[in-house]
Amino acid sequence: KNEVEQSPQNLTAQEGEFITINCSYSVGISALHWLQQHPGGGIVSLFMLSSGKKKHGRLIATINIQEKHSSLHITASHPRDSAVYICAVKSNFGNEKLTFGTGTRLTIIP
Amino acid sequence: SAVISQKPSRDICQRGTSLTIQCQVDSQVTMMFWYRQQPGQSLTLIATANQGSEATYESGFVIDKFPISRPNLTFSTLTVSNMSPEDSSIYLCSVEDSPNNEQFFGPGTRLTVL
Repeated sequence: KNEVEQSPQNLTAQEGEFITINCSYSVGISALHWLQQHPGGGIVSLFMLSSGKKKHGRLIATINIQEKHSSLHITASHPRDSAVYICAVKSNFGNEKLTFGTGTRLTIIP
Repeated sequence: SAVISQKPSRDICQRGTSLTIQCQVDSQVTMMFWYRQQPGQSLTLIATANQGSEATYESGFVIDKFPISRPNLTFSTLTVSNMSPEDSSIYLCSVEDSPNNEQFFGPGTRLTVL
């Protein structure tokens, strides 16, 4: 079982729809990252969370530490949001490494 | 947030040759990392690049294959040596921002080995 699991693996939606991507993890963590990867390969850091909720523009990220679960929401989705969204966690057992989920491929259709 | 640039952005190389990838950060950072992303896979940490000392390699990665330099707090290089088609991947440089421990990634180098 992977330490970090994302769902769904693939998601196709119409422009304007509300999008939710989920991330579950099995270890104690000090932080959770949401990352965005466009087809060219470069990765953009969207959020780093250790508790609660963060919002940036149309993006909202929440985390429930007790349930070991995080969600990334996109409101009023747009074709430019099409990308792979990756959840990554940093264990609270002392090492600095991130453990990555396998990503959710999001396609927004105009 | 740290701004990271990588060179080259992509390359096509012949089997048996070596390629050096450069990573430049716009601020001094303590922690720099090199990742590999094979086609259709998630990111795998190759090594942590330590300033002034040898890199710390993850299981499955060795210095002879992936030599790393870190001459100062803003620059690092990763060399992919004696390449084979299995080395075809995206290679990403990443840094950790000290005050917030937030991690930032470079644009990646897309390597194809023929």
